[in-house]
Amino acid sequence: KNQVEQSPQSLIILEGKNCTLQCNYTVSPFSNLRWYKQDTGRGPVSLTIMTFSENTKSNGRYTATLDADTKQSSLHITASQLSDSASYICVVSARITGGGNKLTFGTGTQLKVEL
Amino acid sequence: KAGVTQTPRYLIKTRGQQVTLSCSPISGHRSVSWYQQTPGQGLQFLFEYFSETQRNKGNFPGRFSGRQFSNSRSEMNVSTLELGDSALYLCASSSQHWSGSNHEQYFGPGTRLTVT
Repeated sequence: KNQVEQSPQSLIILEGKNCTLQCNYTVSPFSNLRWYKQDTGRGPVSLTIMTFSENTKSNGRYTATLDADTKQSSLHITASQLSDSASYICVVSARITGGGNKLTFGTGTQLKVEL
Repeated sequence: KAGVTQTPRYLIKTRGQQVTLSCSPISGHRSVSWYQQTPGQGLQFLFEYFSETQRNKGNFPGRFSGRQFSNSRSEMNVSTLELGDSALYLCASSSQHWSGSNHEQYFGPGTRLTVT
């Protein structure tokens, strides 16, 4: 069964500190992995999209890593800001027979950045 | 360029009623996907429309249906509402047939549906 597990469920850090969010998946056959940021009351915004051949991708202070062998991804946030407070969702796509992809969503990590 | 818009933003319905939600994609985008988001289940994929045709479907009952018009605007309909249908309904647009591909997808702000 395709599953995506994210940890921790929630996290509180001080402004300026770094943090790392984890995503473990059992999706197969793997197509791509995305990290989304969702602010309260708004739709998700894509941070990174990673395919099988990519193991690191950055978007400003956000850096995602992918280890396709261990089926793990992480999202590292550097020098956190209050605006980073949001839910971070990991989504993994699996290729399906006949074309297209099947999506499996993680339940997200709720990050709060405090002064 | 205007983003994805959804109407209405908030809606309250009673059990047994039906509801129609609307989504206007980014100008030029032909793919619209719909998602349900609840605190317990998280984000779940409902279906995707591309050029007026349903291209992909999640595991939801037949009470959930949708359509797409020639101008790419999409509507989602839920009939015989249940309490468990209370959720944030998000739509997302993409310039190409998306279905979990590497193409970028842009989300709207969502419609908050409450069923009483």
